[in-house]
Amino acid sequence: EVQLVESGGGLVQPGRSLRLSCTSSGFNFGDYAMSWVRQAPGKGLEWVGLIRRKAYGGTTEYAASVKGRFSISRDESKNIAYLQMNSLKTEDTGVYFCTRDARLFGDLYADLWGQGSLVTVSS
Amino acid sequence: QSVLSQPPSASGTPGQRVTISCSGSGSNIGIKYVYWYQQLPGTAPKLLIYSNNQRPSGVPDRFSGFKSGTSASLTISGLRSEDEADYYCAGWNDILSGRVFGGGTKLTVL
Repeated sequence: EVQLVESGGGLVQPGRSLRLSCTSSGFNFGDYAMSWVRQAPGKGLEWVGLIRRKAYGGTTEYAASVKGRFSISRDESKNIAYLQMNSLKTEDTGVYFCTRDARLFGDLYADLWGQGSLVTVSS
Repeated sequence: QSVLSQPPSASGTPGQRVTISCSGSGSNIGIKYVYWYQQLPGTAPKLLIYSNNQRPSGVPDRFSGFKSGTSASLTISGLRSEDEADYYCAGWNDILSGRVFGGGTKLTVL
């Protein structure tokens, strides 16, 4: 079955770190870029960042709100994408979704979503 | 404040046609493709439309997308109760070098 499963969420104090994992199955992980998107309670979707596939240099892009605090990496041998979150703030609270990003006509877009992992930043 | 603008709500009765708009700028929708996502209550978003007007396999042809200039729209024909969900437009923003989403439109089927 083609799916993405996030893990690693939980309650964390402000200023601390947390790492989320996104385990993929049912497709060739190396053929796709991967992104993270979050959703604060009762709010809309906010893109966090992405990591391109190795063939495109494995480079990353981040939203301004997380740049310098969050980093995305990928392990091709395990088919896992990671979101390392440092210096967490209360406003980082929300459900974090990982997405598989397909490339078409030069554009990257999320064509598959995981079920999400809840991160709560609170003292 | 989202980069792409959508109406916060929309509604319709079963069988009706509803259109949700999405407004952007020359650095996103104006030069890039538009995507639409459906988020049913308590679930993860699902791709509804890609490349402005293409439907992934499994998405009913009641859903259609359109783009002109810096605006786009999603039309749902033959509205059904199961279409009640939040709908988001999305695209790439060249200046921000990142993906941007609309604020979302909550569709209510009366």
